[in-house]
Amino acid sequence: GENVEQHPSTLSVQEGDSAVIKCTYSDSASNYFPWYKQELGKGPQLIIDIRSNVGEKKDQRIAVTLNKTAKHFSLHITETQPEDSAVYFCAANDYKLSFGAGTTVTVRA
Amino acid sequence: NAGVTQTPKFRVLKTGQSMTLLCAQDMNHEYMYWYRQDPGMGLRLIHYSVGEGTTAKGEVPDGYNVSRLKKQNFLLGLESAAPSQTSVYFCASSYPSRAETQYFGPGTRLLVL
Repeated sequence: GENVEQHPSTLSVQEGDSAVIKCTYSDSASNYFPWYKQELGKGPQLIIDIRSNVGEKKDQRIAVTLNKTAKHFSLHITETQPEDSAVYFCAANDYKLSFGAGTTVTVRA
Repeated sequence: NAGVTQTPKFRVLKTGQSMTLLCAQDMNHEYMYWYRQDPGMGLRLIHYSVGEGTTAKGEVPDGYNVSRLKKQNFLLGLESAAPSQTSVYFCASSYPSRAETQYFGPGTRLLVL
């Protein structure tokens, strides 16, 4: 089955700086790669996703890149704000979504 | 439009007790899922359903049973709770595809003593 590894596990950035989270996956058949944000005490919420026929996708301050050859994808958050503090999960699909272990992002004011 | 709701929000059980977690969605989604979330392990799929009356095992199904008698509801049962089942449980739903957004409920925190 699919195996998704996510790094780093924790990330502390100064407000206004950029944050980058990286994930690798094992199953070359995976074709859908969503990113979820989970705030304290809440369920995960989709923030952006990318499909295998696209190399990059951007939505305001967040962007995702995908390298299918190397089997890795990354989340980029620019101009970080305190409300970006949360746990972020990457995922990849085979017959189901397989999630990374999560990255706790803290934005320092 | 409430999205995905879960009942209860929090529960404490003693070892050996049973309980049922209820998930309801009002988005007319075909697919529904149950996950558990443990520190440092992300979300792991317990069981899922691709339609009313159908269920299938996920990654960690042992100790759990599920039922999907109505399209909008997905029930997760613990017949004999064990301390290892202490976790936060999330339900999710999606349109019928592996490559569609999953919408998550707010979670049920379960403590088994």
